[in-house]
Amino acid sequence: QKEVEQNSGPLSVPEGAIASLNCTYSDRGSQSFFWYRQYSGKSPELIMSIYSNGDKEDGRFTAQLNKASQYVSLLIRDSQPSDSATYLCAVGGYTGGFKTIFGAGTRLFVKA
Amino acid sequence: GAVVSQHPSWVICKSGTSVKIECRSLDFQATTMFWYRQFPKQSLMLMATSNEGSKATYEQGVEKDKFLINHASLTLSTLTVTSAHPEDSSFYICSARGGRTGSSYEQYFGPGTRLTVT
Repeated sequence: QKEVEQNSGPLSVPEGAIASLNCTYSDRGSQSFFWYRQYSGKSPELIMSIYSNGDKEDGRFTAQLNKASQYVSLLIRDSQPSDSATYLCAVGGYTGGFKTIFGAGTRLFVKA
Repeated sequence: GAVVSQHPSWVICKSGTSVKIECRSLDFQATTMFWYRQFPKQSLMLMATSNEGSKATYEQGVEKDKFLINHASLTLSTLTVTSAHPEDSSFYICSARGGRTGSSYEQYFGPGTRLTVT
């Protein structure tokens, strides 16, 4: 059973701080890694994709991938109250067809 | 990013009736579509995966005769909840994956349909 593990939180950070969200996955053959943001009562929104080891930056977001450690993280710089949401880590790979497994999500709360 | 629409956004129906939910990819061809269900404060649960022109593959525990999925074209998939019961009340979300921007790996979600069965 392929798994994607996230701390459910809530992770609480003050406004302006860096929020660090972490994710581990079990399938070493995984090739694609994603972070989604889901506001309460809404559907998930893709915010980052990363495919190779290292860092990928997009605005205030940085995704970090370490395939050797089977670890993906998302850093949110200058956190804002509007960043308060559940962040889903998703990992994709081929298992008789490409399949993406979603973690249960980490709830982030940014205090004003 | 790619846009996926879903209709209706919410629906209330009586127990025993059927409800159809439409999912459309608006600016890309969705070779694969997914249907999820999410109960309040719980994680996404994948119900089924469908490829255009093929029968859907259902996850374990999901009744294929109750949740009918039709992926009729590269831009449209429908989910029909047949003989709905109050326990089917949930947030149903479709997702699509295709070849937009050269990535066939990213999944884009529709806005979801909130179903209430009375």
